[in-house]
Amino acid sequence: AQSVAQPEDQVNVAEGNPLTVKCTYSVSGNPYLFWYVQYPNRGLQFLLKYITGDNLVKGSYGFEAEFNKSQTSFHLKKPSALVSDSALYFCAVRDGSGAGSYQLTFGKGTKLSVIP
Amino acid sequence: GAVVSQHPSWVICKSGTSVKIECRSLDFQATTMFWYRQFPKQSLMLMATSNEGSKATYEQGVEKDKFLINHASLTLSTLTVTSAHPEDSSFYICSARDRGRPSYEQYFGPGTRLTVT
Repeated sequence: AQSVAQPEDQVNVAEGNPLTVKCTYSVSGNPYLFWYVQYPNRGLQFLLKYITGDNLVKGSYGFEAEFNKSQTSFHLKKPSALVSDSALYFCAVRDGSGAGSYQLTFGKGTKLSVIP
Repeated sequence: GAVVSQHPSWVICKSGTSVKIECRSLDFQATTMFWYRQFPKQSLMLMATSNEGSKATYEQGVEKDKFLINHASLTLSTLTVTSAHPEDSSFYICSARDRGRPSYEQYFGPGTRLTVT
């Protein structure tokens, strides 16, 4: 079984400061990892993914994430937060070994609030 | 880029009636579509996986007779909530996998807000 943990329900950060949203995962095979953002009453927007290769992944809107295999983590980061980054962020994982289906398992989400 | 639409974006219905939600892939062929349910301030819970031309696979605890899923073409899947009750009120999101793209890519629709009165 695969699972994702987002230990923080909410993260508050001042505009212009760096932000980190934490994610740890558990999967039996190779992890495929994703970050999505959701604005109120909207669907999910893809931010970035890790499949293979460099551990530091760069994505949309200046976000990046670092894959750490030993710590089974995939934290989302941005050097300088914007008020418009305020939203709900979801981390998701899929077993990339080919076993099972294409199902994504999502974390419970972290609400990011960027304070002007 | 790949676009997935949902219709309607929101719907209000009376208890006991049925509601159909459509999920369309607009510019690609989707062999697989996923239906999720999201409660307020909670994560997405996978309800079922639908493959074109075959029966949907439901997750444990999801009533297949209540949540009817049809994936009759490569661009359309429908979710019908039968005999809806207030506890079915939720945000329903679909996603689709492009048959011409890597299997790990999923494209999400904008969601449908269902309110049952």
